[in-house]
This record gives sequence, C-alpha cells and structure tokens, in this order.
Amino acid sequence: GAGVSQSPRYKVAKRGQDVALRCDPISGHVSLFWYQQALGQGPEFLTYFQNEAQLDKSGLPSDRFFAERPEGSVSTLKIQRTQQEDSAVYLCASSLGGSSVDTIYFGEGSWLTVV
Amino acid sequence: GNSVTQMEGPVTLSEEAFLTINCTYTATGYPSLFWYVQYPGEGLQLLLKATKADDKGSNKGFEATYRKETTSFHLEKGSVQVSDSAVYFCASGTNAGKSTFGDGTTLTVKP
Repeated sequence: GAGVSQSPRYKVAKRGQDVALRCDPISGHVSLFWYQQALGQGPEFLTYFQNEAQLDKSGLPSDRFFAERPEGSVSTLKIQRTQQEDSAVYLCASSLGGSSVDTIYFGEGSWLTVV
Repeated sequence: GNSVTQMEGPVTLSEEAFLTINCTYTATGYPSLFWYVQYPGEGLQLLLKATKADDKGSNKGFEATYRKETTSFHLEKGSVQVSDSAVYFCASGTNAGKSTFGDGTTLTVKP
C-alpha cells in the first residue's frame, strides 16, 4: 500500500486480556519500529526490526510485551495480561534503510484503551 | 541517554504572526534531527530534517537549523496560517535509526 497501515485502529480490552496489534509497513521498507504514545506526550521507542531480525527491544516496558516480524514485512505487537497503564496509542513506523538519515513513515496508530 | 526537550505549549498565534518553537537535544554521537507534525485526526508526518551540523531543513515555509554548538534545532516560520494548527514534535535520530521525541507543542493559529 501507499503508507503504513495499522489494525485495529481502536481496541478496548478488559484488564487481563491479551491483545495483538498489526502493522503493515510500506512495501520494501527494511526497518520497522514500534512506539508507544501516551496522551499528551511524544512517542516513546519500544522496539526495532531490520527485516525479520529484532535488533533492539530496549524500550519494551515489561515481559508482557512481545513483538515479531517473522517474514520481514508484517509485524505484530502483542501485549499479554493488559493493564490500565498500557492504555496508549501504539504507533508503527517504517523506513527504507536502517540509518539515522532515513525518513521514518508513521502509521495512524492503534488506540488501546484498557478498562 | 538521549533526550529531546521542546518548548512547552500550547502556543496561540494570530494569522501571519512569526512562529518559533524551541528544541534542544542531548545525544551521544551525531544524530539526525527532525520536526514532525500531527494535524488533527491524522498520523505523524515528517515536516523537515537535518542530518549534520549547520544543515538547514525546510518545508512548507518552515525552517530549522542544526546548531551543534547550542545543541538546538528550533522551528521557525515567518507567517503562520490557520492551516498550520497542529502538534509539532522535535526528534533526534540515532545511528540505529530509532528516534527520541520531545513531548510535542500544540500550535493554534487564529484568523
């Protein structure tokens, strides 16, 4: 597609439920990023893939968060046993290469509300 | 670690006013610097970028210059329009390609 696509756009989960958020990056983009954006704040880095390799997961807040990109294209961010503090917008982004000069293209985000 | 600090908002201006949104960064190495914009109901999109010291990024009348000596990347526009109303985020990009963002500055331009 033309841009980064995320689904679902909106998700309401009961505390304790597992959720899975999907990201379709721009075709051919090597790098894929997940960010978490709390209300009124800037995005915070969660994890980074280059093709299917997860090169950096230093931003994942706990072991309840898990991300994969098994074939180097679509990625899934999974959150197990959701907590209220997980409520945020989860942004996926992709870039053509893997250097700091590459432009990162963001999806519109998946809005997660944990009740 | 890396951090980005940007001017707190909200900022309210009249149409055709001059805009400055301050941004400073701390980083190891020599990051690339970015300004992103988020219009109401839309996703983040790149506004402009600069990849090395003294570079000037520009787009849609907005400009920002990478100042290594002051570790700053202030966003400016000479004459804002109502359509510029949005949230603006400053960010620095590391060698790994991941970015560190500021908390955003909300700009409202009134006719």
